[in-house]
Formats: sequence, C-alpha cells, structure tokens
Amino acid sequence: GENVEQHPSTLSVQEGDSAVIKCTYSDSASNYFPWYKQELGKGPQLIIDIRSNVGEKKDQRIAVTLNKTAKHFSLHITETQPEDSAVYFCAASIGTTDSWGKLQFGAGTQVVVTP
Amino acid sequence: DVKVTQSSRYLVKRTGEKVFLECVQDMDHENMFWYRQDPGLGLRLIYFSYDVKMKEKGDIPEGYSVSREKKERFSLILESASTNQTSMYLCASSTRVTGVDAFFGQGTRLTVV
Repeated sequence: GENVEQHPSTLSVQEGDSAVIKCTYSDSASNYFPWYKQELGKGPQLIIDIRSNVGEKKDQRIAVTLNKTAKHFSLHITETQPEDSAVYFCAASIGTTDSWGKLQFGAGTQVVVTP
Repeated sequence: DVKVTQSSRYLVKRTGEKVFLECVQDMDHENMFWYRQDPGLGLRLIYFSYDVKMKEKGDIPEGYSVSREKKERFSLILESASTNQTSMYLCASSTRVTGVDAFFGQGTRLTVV
C-alpha cells in the first residue's frame, strides 16, 4: 500500500521567513495530494491540494509543488505569520471511485512561528 | 459550510467498557471515515464507509467496529476498550464525486483508564 513520509517533524521559523515541508510517497498510482492544517484543539482542515496533472499550485502565501518522477511534493509558506503556527499534514490518495478517497497521511510537522 | 460533528470532545472510559463514538455530517456525503491520531504517527485509517450499511477496513481495524445505519451518521465502536486505545479519534466525510476532499470533525480525545 501507499506509504507517505514527511519531514521535518518540527520546524521553527522567524516571523516573515519562509517554511518548507517535504513529503515523499511510494505508490506511483497516487494522483491527489492534499495538505491539511490542524490548529490546537481542532480537526485538520484542507488548505491546499494538487493533482498529478499539475506541477505547482499557489494560493496567496502558500504553494505546493509536485515532482511525480521523484515521487515527492512540498508545501511552501512565505512571509510566515504567528497564525501559521500549527501541525501540518501531507497526504496522498489514488483518486478513483474504487479507492473511495482513502487518504494516506504523513506523520505531521509542528510549525512554530516566533515573532 | 460543511459540518462534521463528533458527539464528544473528551471521553474517559474504563478498561473493558464498550465505547461508542458518534459522528454526523450535514453535507449528504457518501463517504465517511474514522481515523486515529497519535503523536509521531499521523492519522491512521481505522474504518471507512462509502454507503449506508457498507463498511471497509482501514489500516488498523483491530479492536474496532463501525455502524452506518443512516447516510449522515457513522459510529465507531470499541467493543472492549483497552488502554492502548487511548488516542484522538477523528471522523471525516467526503463526496463520491471527487472522492478525496475530506472534511474533518473536531476530534474526540478518548482516555481509557
């Protein structure tokens, strides 16, 4: 089955700097890669996703890149702010009805933005 | 807004008790999921359901069962709670059209003593 590895496990950045989280996956059939943000006491919330027919996607200060050949994808947060502090999870899925949308998650990255 | 509601934020149960965790979604989603979240392990899929009365095992189904009698409700059952089931439990739902955009509840922190 799919295996997703996520690095680093913790990331401390100064406010205004950039943060990068990297994930690798094992199943070449995976074609959907979402990123979730989990704030303290809340469930994970989808912040951005990318599908395998796209190499990069941006949404304001966050961007995701995908390298299907190398089977890795990354989350980039620019101009970090204290409210970006949270746990971030990457995930991979084979996006067909047969897979029923099963997501395989990485272990998570605790991001701390210090003022 | 999609809403996935879990019945309890915190639960404390005794070893050997039968425990029910309830989840309700209001977006008419076909798919529903139960995950377990532990530090350093991320989210691991326990069970999922893609239709009423249908269920499929995830990666870690041992010690758990599920019930889906109505489309909006998905229950996770711990038949005989054990201390190693102390964890955060997250319910999620998604549509079958995309099958992948999962929306999560706020989680239930279960402690088994």
